[in-house]
Amino acid sequence: QQQVKQSPQSLIVQKGGISIINCAYENTAFDYFPWYQQFPGKGPALLIAIRPDVSEKKEGRFTISFNKSAKQFSLHIMDSQPGDSATYFCAADFRRGSTLGRLYFGRGTQLTVWP
Amino acid sequence: NAGVMQNPRHLVRRRGQEARLRCSPMKGHSHVYWYRQLPEEGLKFMVYLQKENIIDESGMPKERFSAEFPKEGPSILRIQQVVRGDSAAYFCASSRDPRSGNEQFFGPGTRLTVL
Repeated sequence: QQQVKQSPQSLIVQKGGISIINCAYENTAFDYFPWYQQFPGKGPALLIAIRPDVSEKKEGRFTISFNKSAKQFSLHIMDSQPGDSATYFCAADFRRGSTLGRLYFGRGTQLTVWP
Repeated sequence: NAGVMQNPRHLVRRRGQEARLRCSPMKGHSHVYWYRQLPEEGLKFMVYLQKENIIDESGMPKERFSAEFPKEGPSILRIQQVVRGDSAAYFCASSRDPRSGNEQFFGPGTRLTVL
């Protein structure tokens, strides 16, 4: 059972455009939502993360929007650059309880930014 | 300040052989997590270990797979009698105490190919 569903599977954006990746989750006990960026042949790197007590978090060109009632969160990349071309994964985690420490990942979105 | 180290980076095994994957966490991190990534899929949690203890192994197959994190030395993920379906990228992550909200940092992965 996929606890975190991510879309789209792939995304092509023109340089300077906005990239938007969406995720939805089932378990309302999740209380930590990170986004990871992965380049080919590399491990995932933490990009930005949010907790459910805020609706938005911005770091540079990257923004997470969080909708607790809809159980959805999304990553917005403003002014997308060719260097942003990578696979992006959303994830969710419990910070309490017996499954603490276990990240649940979406299937990933392959972003291509054309120059 | 070295990040998470994994070796080997690439491992080729024939069916029936054993695969041994190593992970050295970041300095100061005593919590280690193993994930498996199949092509076109997100990362799937396998096991969470603290020094000398397995905290959560619910994502690890009951047969052929084992993990350890000894007092001294790296964490080891061991796959006995490998089959073609074990071919995947295996990532290790480490963190400080997750109960304090600490992030997981990933290594570069070991790409296992079973012939």
